[in-house]
Amino acid sequence: DIQLTQSPSSLSASVGDRVTFTCQASQEIANYLNWYQQKPGKAPKLLIHGASNLQTGVPSRFSGSGSGISFTLTVNSLQPDDFATYYCQHYDNLDVTFGQGTRLEIK
Amino acid sequence: QVQLVQSGAEVKSPGSSVKVSCKTSGGSFSGYAIIWVRQAPGQGGLEWMGGIIPTLRKTNYAQKFQGRITISTDESTSTAYMELSSLQSADTAVYYCARDRIYGLGKYSYGMDVWGQGTKVTVSS
Repeated sequence: DIQLTQSPSSLSASVGDRVTFTCQASQEIANYLNWYQQKPGKAPKLLIHGASNLQTGVPSRFSGSGSGISFTLTVNSLQPDDFATYYCQHYDNLDVTFGQGTRLEIK
Repeated sequence: QVQLVQSGAEVKSPGSSVKVSCKTSGGSFSGYAIIWVRQAPGQGGLEWMGGIIPTLRKTNYAQKFQGRITISTDESTSTAYMELSSLQSADTAVYYCARDRIYGLGKYSYGMDVWGQGTKVTVSS
């Protein structure tokens, strides 16, 4: 089974900062990696699919990159609405894996 | 605008079963898998439970839940169901359904773009 390891587990930043989240897969997964944002009490929201494709309606300050086993999600110029938990996720033939999440907090 | 509308909160006794529904409004199952994910209270992360591709009659379950989970669909009402049996306190969580647009005969997906609102299941004696 594929494992996804996210780092860091939590991160403090200020409005206007640029932050980067990392997700490492236990084996090669090409670009089959998605990113989600979740706020307390709400369902997750798809941000990036296929490692680097911005989901319709997601602000362009979000970007994703990577392939193989190492992936990053970058948020440029943090906005107050961006403070949330971020998850990476992989799908393969109806088998789904989530990373453990990175919590982004206001400094 | 497609929505997934889940059934309401449940309180269950240990050893019992729960069946959560997820109705698609404004769309159909064609071209999609329905994925079930749960999240324990507090700092719990997202835990994949299983999924179904209705048009392929295919299901898959996380090994952790094998033997006590059943995911099904009723295409006549565009509703998916997740039934979990032998409930214990550790099953107390919010349960989500999500729509995942698939391709390559279900081998690949574009990510879970529509989610239900979540169903809180509390297991308590």
